Parts: sequence; C-alpha cells; structure tokens
Amino acid sequence: EAGVAQSPRYKIIEKRQSVAFWCNPISGHATLYWYQQILGQGPKLLIQFQNNGVVDDSQLPKDRFSAERLKGVDSTLKIQPAKLEDSAVYLCASSLSGQGGSYGYTFGSGTRLTVV
Amino acid sequence: AQSVTQPDIHITVSEGASLELRCNYSYGATPYLFWYVQSPGQGLQLLLKYFSGDTLVQGIKGFEAEFKRSQSSFNLRKPSVHWSDAAEYFCAVESYNTDKLIFGTGTRLQVFP
Repeated sequence: EAGVAQSPRYKIIEKRQSVAFWCNPISGHATLYWYQQILGQGPKLLIQFQNNGVVDDSQLPKDRFSAERLKGVDSTLKIQPAKLEDSAVYLCASSLSGQGGSYGYTFGSGTRLTVV
Repeated sequence: AQSVTQPDIHITVSEGASLELRCNYSYGATPYLFWYVQSPGQGLQLLLKYFSGDTLVQGIKGFEAEFKRSQSSFNLRKPSVHWSDAAEYFCAVESYNTDKLIFGTGTRLQVFP
C-alpha cells in the first residue's frame, strides 16, 4: 500500500511569511495527525483529526497555526506568520480510527521548514 | 500527565557490540509502548510495540525490548549492532484508548567500525 505522502520535502521562508504543508494519509485511515519535531527533540503532537473533525488541538499555537481536513482525507497545515522558532520538521501520520495502538501509526517523511 | 523519558541523549558503540537504550514512562496504568527509529531525512519507522502479554517483545532488524512494570521501563536491546543501525531512536507511549502518541526526546546512536 502507498504510504503517507507529504509535500513539499523542504521549505525555506523568511520570518513573517506564510507557508502551507500538505499531507495525504493512507487510504482508509480515518485518523490523521500533525507533529512538530524541533531539532534535538521528539515529535510533539500539534493536532489530531478523526475524519474531518478535530479531536485534539490543545498544543496547536492557534494564533499562527491552522489546519484543516475538509473532506476527511487530505490535510493542510498552515503557519501565518512564521517565526524563527517554527523551524522544524513537520510530520504527518495516520492510523485506523480508534486503533492507533493496535494497528499502528504510519508516518510520512516530513517537511523540513527553515525560517530565516 | 503522561511523559516519556529517554535519559541518554547520545550513545556511541562499536560495531558488533551489544546495545541497550533506556526508556522510562510515567502513567497510572499500563500504556501501549513503542520504539521508533529515524534515519537522517527520513520518517519514523516502527521497530516494535508492546500492548500486553509477554513482556519481552521482538521487533524488526534484530531488536527486542522488555517491559518492566515495576520499573516503568521499556528498554530497547540488540545483541550485536551493525553500522546501519546508526540513527535516532524514539520511545513513545499511547495511553489506553487515546489514540495518540507521546514521544521521548530521543537517543542518537553512533556506531564506530
């Protein structure tokens, strides 16, 4: 089966600019996650969707970050305006609904964002 | 709140030597436990996971991990390390029925020939 697709792979922007990342999960996976991985740290969950609804966005900086999953499949994560501390790898993952632990999570290769 | 601690930031071993990466978790009940590996520029690959039952879990690439409830630990082991094992290793926990992962800060493994 195809894996979790993410684009772009790399992005360099200036601070205060906006940027968007795209994720296409594995077909049939109802749950989608966005993680932020800052260099030297473990991934941190930003937002979790089940179908097109938000389950958990408690760690999403909502003043600058937004995410949507309009049709319950693809998802976009946006940052506007970007700050230097947003430099990180943004990982998308998906799992069968309610069975993340049992059936596993599949991660994409990530988008590496550099804010200068 | 749940947390995962990986005490070793960086470990260096010689090829062929044995390896143990430490992981401790904080959670009231027994969570689901995972080990992932991340090579440079790559996503996270699942090595193994523990849900219940046998506390010694076998994974891919010759890795195994042992769940010790009394120590709240889930250490990763490999009897003989290969140069290709050099990567970042993350321990993660999922509390029952929350369907989300919490990661440790990772351990970077360097392998010398």
